[in-house]
Amino acid sequence: DAKTTQPNSMESNEEEPVHLPCNHSTISGTDYIHWYRQLPSQGPEYVIHGLTSNVNNRMASLAIAEDRKSSTLILHRATLRDAAVYYCILRENNDMRFGAGTRLTVKP
Amino acid sequence: DTAVSQTPKYLVTQMGNDKSIKCEQNLGHDTMYWYKQDSKKFLKIMFSYNNKELIINETVPNRFSPKSPDKAHLNLHINSLELGDSAVYFCASSQMGGARNTEAFFGQGTRLTVV
Repeated sequence: DAKTTQPNSMESNEEEPVHLPCNHSTISGTDYIHWYRQLPSQGPEYVIHGLTSNVNNRMASLAIAEDRKSSTLILHRATLRDAAVYYCILRENNDMRFGAGTRLTVKP
Repeated sequence: DTAVSQTPKYLVTQMGNDKSIKCEQNLGHDTMYWYKQDSKKFLKIMFSYNNKELIINETVPNRFSPKSPDKAHLNLHINSLELGDSAVYFCASSQMGGARNTEAFFGQGTRLTVV
């Protein structure tokens, strides 16, 4: 169902930046790119979304390729609390389908 | 105040029983969803409701029946529970008809165990 491809897992050191990639080669012109994360034993949590331009918020930055076929979620300084599964999603109206996501491990 | 709340948080029941999971959101959203996360951790959308109207009904057995008494509530009733129904069920909501540029808020989940 998911229209995105992400690495199964990634590792990072605490306080270092993390770049989480996502491929979405079949993206349509009206699809928004959303990122969610799921901490252990919790529900998914919204991180950021964008359409064409790069986006920044207090949690992360989203870099979107010019052709929109890929994007990268950037955590500027990973903390232990950022260890989670990160999902890249192409958001449709009334519909949001999750792929397998990337499990991020943060090492102290 | 919890934005999206689900009850109960844990539910253990025997095969063949009927059970309900309740979901309420206090965000004023008009779109609500149910997701199922199985033991392999895949999150699958089950239903989507907009203004109490069913929008998405994935290939979910008829034993699952969502009910939306008002925009703030979307309950999930499950008949004749089976072992394979064991999973974590998440409720979510979003605004503006679930438009593509809106974020969704998720509840903490209900862990259903069928024995």
